[in-house]
Amino acid sequence: AQSVAQPEDQVNVAEGNPLTVKCTYSVSGNPYLFWYVQYPNRGLQFLLKYITGDNLVKGSYGFEAEFNKSQTSFHLKKPSALVSDSALYFCAVRDDLTGGGNKLTFGTGTQLKVEL
Amino acid sequence: EAGVAQSPRYKIIEKRQSVAFWCNPISGHATLYWYQQILGQGPKLLIQFQNNGVVDDSQLPKDRFSAERLKGVDSTLKIQPAKLEDSAVYLCASSLDRGTLFPTFGSGTRLTVV
Repeated sequence: AQSVAQPEDQVNVAEGNPLTVKCTYSVSGNPYLFWYVQYPNRGLQFLLKYITGDNLVKGSYGFEAEFNKSQTSFHLKKPSALVSDSALYFCAVRDDLTGGGNKLTFGTGTQLKVEL
Repeated sequence: EAGVAQSPRYKIIEKRQSVAFWCNPISGHATLYWYQQILGQGPKLLIQFQNNGVVDDSQLPKDRFSAERLKGVDSTLKIQPAKLEDSAVYLCASSLDRGTLFPTFGSGTRLTVV
């Protein structure tokens, strides 16, 4: 079984400061990891993914995430936060043993609030 | 490319009533998913279609939920009868095929059962 944990319900950060949204995962095989963002009354928008290769993955809107296999983590980061980054962020995982079923398991989400 | 279209955007019904949601995936996408997102939780997969066949419906409450994808394009998700705990956002997503690593999501239908 696969699972994702996002330990923080909410993260508050001042505009211009770096931000980190935490995610840890559990899978049987090798993980495929994703970050999605959800703005109010909108669907999920894909931000970035880790499949293989470099542990630091760059995505949309200046976001990046670092894959750490030993700590089973995939934290989302941004060097300088913007007020417009305020949204709900979901981490998701899929293992490579599902035979192409593409079943994503999502975390419970972290509300990011960026203040002036 | 047009995105995943869903309707209606919002729906309020009384418990024990029935409701249906519609989804039109991205053109050419063979795989279609319905997710349920309850407030404060992450999306949970209800059912996955490959063309017009069901791949995974293990988390679909089959006593009240049903879904179909006739002709392998549009899909409808139905709840009958609805319960208070069905209040959630129902998200439809699609991907090119089962091997595609991540799906594209629609804006969702927010259901409130009173």
